[in-house]
Amino acid sequence: GIQVEQSPPDLILQEGANSTLRCNFSDSVNNLQWFHQNPWGQLINLFYIPSGTKQNGRLSATTVATERYSLLYISSSQTTDSGVYFCAVNYNQGGKLIFGQGTELSVKP
Amino acid sequence: GAVVSQHPSWVICKSGTSVKIECRSLDFQATTMFWYRQFPKQSLMLMATSNEGSKATYEQGVEKDKFLINHASLTLSTLTVTSAHPEDSSFYICSALSSNTGELFFGEGSRLTVL
Repeated sequence: GIQVEQSPPDLILQEGANSTLRCNFSDSVNNLQWFHQNPWGQLINLFYIPSGTKQNGRLSATTVATERYSLLYISSSQTTDSGVYFCAVNYNQGGKLIFGQGTELSVKP
Repeated sequence: GAVVSQHPSWVICKSGTSVKIECRSLDFQATTMFWYRQFPKQSLMLMATSNEGSKATYEQGVEKDKFLINHASLTLSTLTVTSAHPEDSSFYICSALSSNTGELFFGEGSRLTVL
């Protein structure tokens, strides 16, 4: 099946710093989503981005489908950005998402 | 964004009992819902695909007689963990597929502890 790899696995930032999270996938995909899982386990939809670039406030994402990767940019990081960031992809029409292992982000004040 | 509600948020039960978890799409219809399981410090693992009006499709290695899934309406899917054992303790998360956009929305998750 399709493989989804995220890097780095862990990241520690000082508040105010910028960061880039990467997601590589091994096959063509129909859909790619980025999520933030907060300390209570809730998965928050960040981006639905099978291709192209989107921005939402301090966050932006770019997916280059032909090269099978996506990037999540976090600018001016805040302590509330801490948590695990997951990339997930769908490769068939059924909507089933396969998750990467996540990047655990810790933003220090 | 679309809202998916999951209940209960947490449950503690005795070994051998059954536990039912509900997943509802509140403001959209979902012909397809998914159930995931997450162990501490790990990623989400897909357990099964729940299709309204038909049998669920289980991923390899998931016991369908242990994890009963019912998708009785376009807004409700349930997961029943039967004869629960301590190794079933985990965080269970449901998701619903928006047929309009193809985007997946997740519930808040249910933390199951089996004593």
